[in-house]
Amino acid sequence: SQTIHQWPATLVQPVGSPLSLECTVEGTSNPNLYWYRQAAGRGLQLLFYSVGIGQISSEVPQNLSASRPQDRQFILSSKKLLLSDSGFYLCAWTPHGEPGKLFFGSGTQLSVL
Amino acid sequence: GQQLNQSPQSMFIQEGEDVSMNCTSSSIFNTWLWYKQDPGEGPVLLIALYKAGELTSNGRLTAQFGITRKDSFLNISASIPSDVGIYFCAGQLGSNYQLIWGAGTKLIIKP
Repeated sequence: SQTIHQWPATLVQPVGSPLSLECTVEGTSNPNLYWYRQAAGRGLQLLFYSVGIGQISSEVPQNLSASRPQDRQFILSSKKLLLSDSGFYLCAWTPHGEPGKLFFGSGTQLSVL
Repeated sequence: GQQLNQSPQSMFIQEGEDVSMNCTSSSIFNTWLWYKQDPGEGPVLLIALYKAGELTSNGRLTAQFGITRKDSFLNISASIPSDVGIYFCAGQLGSNYQLIWGAGTKLIIKP
């Protein structure tokens, strides 16, 4: 069966520090991969999605970036965090050809202080 | 841009009561999805709807894809404590990879 791993679960970082969140999927090949952000008590905002290795689409311009170095690995990065980057970050995957059926990781709660 | 209006924003109900929530849009969707999110976790897909008028059940949950393709509802029958959480609707336009999300309905069960 397919599983998605996301880490770390919580992270506290100072303003201006770099960020790297990692997500891996097991049990499937060629998934579509996604990074979402959720502000406290709010809905989900799509940040990036990827349909293949090295293919990244950005939905919202910001100081975050994403990379997909391997088929089942998706990384969210920042060179310098802002206070406004705080939030709950969720990685997700969908089977290729079924973009609506998202399977989410357990999330990373990021606090930028 | 496209928006989904999800209501109610929150619900306080007694255990055993039935629950109903809905989403409406000015856009026509070809897929409607309902997710549930527990605190500190990622959302989990409950029901996916692919055809106008489709009525689908998953245990005590029932969801329908509106005939106009601009709305959907989710019903929960005989609520239990583990039903608490935030329920999100999401719609898909064509083959677009970006789902349009509702703001969520927070379900709270009164002791």
